[in-house]
Amino acid sequence: DAMVIQNPRYQVTQFGKPVTLSCSQTLNHNVMYWYQQKSSQAPKLLFHYYDKDFNNEADTPDNFQSRRPNTSFCFLDIRSPGLGDAAMYLCATSRDFGGGDLYQETQYFGPGTRLLVL
Amino acid sequence: DQQVKQNSPSLSVQEGRISILNCDYTNSMFDYFLWYKKYPAEGPTFLISISSIKDKNEDGRFTVFLNKSAKHLSLHIVPSQPGDSAVYFCAASGLITGNQFYFGTGTSLTVIP
Repeated sequence: DAMVIQNPRYQVTQFGKPVTLSCSQTLNHNVMYWYQQKSSQAPKLLFHYYDKDFNNEADTPDNFQSRRPNTSFCFLDIRSPGLGDAAMYLCATSRDFGGGDLYQETQYFGPGTRLLVL
Repeated sequence: DQQVKQNSPSLSVQEGRISILNCDYTNSMFDYFLWYKKYPAEGPTFLISISSIKDKNEDGRFTVFLNKSAKHLSLHIVPSQPGDSAVYFCAASGLITGNQFYFGTGTSLTVIP
């Protein structure tokens, strides 16, 4: 049973053309994350939501925005994709660590969306 | 600044032998460490974790060792199986880092039949 779903799995867009990636979860987790992963690099956290509270990483470009209309869904908007934004985008969820035992927590990842910018 | 490092991009091991994957970290405030496994075209999946109050955690064929003084952890897979061939990511977190995990760059393990 899919728990974290990402659509589409592959996305091709043109340089400068806005694109939206979506993520949904059936786990009812408080926290949702967006990561960017380029080849042979560590997943890089772009931002995360704790419920409706948005937490942006300091080095995330303004070109990347996110929306979380409800617990289940989270969107990544890339306003003007550049060639350097071609990557795998991973969505993940977790429970809030502060509400439980950190040492039992983990993140659940979706399969990712591979973005190609032409 | 990469706070979690996996210095070996790849590792090849014969089936039935031990695989040892290594990970180093720099932030002494990390107190929770995880290993994820990733197959091509899939997202990472949780494999095993360890908190800083332990130095070893075992789950079947998988054992994670933590050396806090050296800021080093390792994942041992015994015996290695061809289905273990994947990319393994080390990740670290802690109460001080809130809801964030920091990932290494991954080690691609190939288990040769």
